[in-house]
Amino acid sequence: EEELVESGGGLVKPGGSLRLSCAASGFSFSAYIMNWVRQAPGKGLEWVASFGSSGSYIYYADSVKGRFTVSRDNAKNSLYLQMSSLRVDDTAIYYCARDLYSPSWDAFDLWGQGTMVTVSS
Amino acid sequence: SSELTQDPAVSVALGQTIRITCQGDNFRNYYASWYQQRPGQAPLLVLYGKNNRPSGIPDRFSGSNSGNTASLTITGAQAEDEADYYCNSRGSSGHHRVFGTGTKVTVL
Repeated sequence: EEELVESGGGLVKPGGSLRLSCAASGFSFSAYIMNWVRQAPGKGLEWVASFGSSGSYIYYADSVKGRFTVSRDNAKNSLYLQMSSLRVDDTAIYYCARDLYSPSWDAFDLWGQGTMVTVSS
Repeated sequence: SSELTQDPAVSVALGQTIRITCQGDNFRNYYASWYQQRPGQAPLLVLYGKNNRPSGIPDRFSGSNSGNTASLTITGAQAEDEADYYCNSRGSSGHHRVFGTGTKVTVL
């Protein structure tokens, strides 16, 4: 069964750091662009970052650029999100999602259950 | 980056048809994908590309693009279709992804 499982969320103070992980199983992880998407409590979905199968395709939302770093380890079937200089408005559920990429569309067809990040003093 | 605008909430009578719209600048270049999210659950892909449904998604879900508007149509809405719906597409850079503001669908 294809599955994504996020971990690493928790409570952190403003200005702090946190590293999220997303473990993939049941499919050829290295073949896909992977994404992080977040959802603040009671709010809509916000795309955070994309990481291609190799290191040449990496993009960030303006809201996190320079503070967050996405990476992956294809040997471990894992995607990561290193978050630093965290702000209160980074509080959200963070999902990883697989992308059925095409030049003219994306389709996030597999999602994890999400991991909650709370930034509060 | 671009914005994708959706109506905040719409309602539909059981068995009737509803169209959810998503307005943005880049639909002349990119297709939308659509996601259903029920409370407490992760989003679920229901439509993508020109009019493609993932396996297991009922054929009452269909999509279209016209000018700067992408639409998701539910023909014969069911009680289980009550959820939040989000569109997604590319921003002006062609690499950034953007989600719509979301539409809460109520089935009466």
